[in-house]
Amino acid sequence: SYVLTQSPSMSVAPGKTATITCGGNNIGSKSVHWYQQKPGQAPVLVVYDDTDRSSGIPERFSGSNSGNTATLTIIRVEAGDEADYYCQVWDSRSAVVFGGGTKLTVL
Amino acid sequence: EVHLVESGGELVQPGGSLRLSCAASDLTVSYNYMSWVRQSPGKGLEWVSFMDSGGDTKYADSVKGRFTISRDNSKNTLNLQMNSLRPGDTAVYYCARGRSGGYSYLNWFDIWGRGTLVTVSS
Repeated sequence: SYVLTQSPSMSVAPGKTATITCGGNNIGSKSVHWYQQKPGQAPVLVVYDDTDRSSGIPERFSGSNSGNTATLTIIRVEAGDEADYYCQVWDSRSAVVFGGGTKLTVL
Repeated sequence: EVHLVESGGELVQPGGSLRLSCAASDLTVSYNYMSWVRQSPGKGLEWVSFMDSGGDTKYADSVKGRFTISRDNSKNTLNLQMNSLRPGDTAVYYCARGRSGGYSYLNWFDIWGRGTLVTVSS
């Protein structure tokens, strides 16, 4: 089955840049999607198709995907960005695959 | 505004059955990829099942043979029949709309319900 690997946690100071990665075998050949989930809430689509921002998502959020790593970048991080972030792909064998999630802490 | 509202979650004993429903507003269930995604307490997201607009279904290996996804077009609802429940099935179950983005497969989920909690315990 296809596996997506994310670091369990990371921390960043307000105003700095957060880089959240998602590793997978030749993930650059797939479309990667990112979700933000705050405590007690449902996930929210942030970026889809590698680089497209979902409606209402600030321009501070951007995505990229190449080789074996996809990346969600958040510039000028704010306290409100503190959340769990999940990557997700479609795989022809495994169907829908989620990464394990990265907990972003804003210091 | 599009809304998905799940219901049916409750405490059930191991080996028991439960039926979840997802009611859609401003969205026609039968026209869309519709899916169930679950999240065990303190854990990550796990895809469970989806049904496409043509009625084709797919399941995660962990639930295959025990769970059945269906829809009621007259009520505009998506359902999940869960049988032979196990403690490992304990989770919040989310209903979500999937988008293909022009591809011939489900790609991403753009609308999510708030979820319903299923607890499997004796």
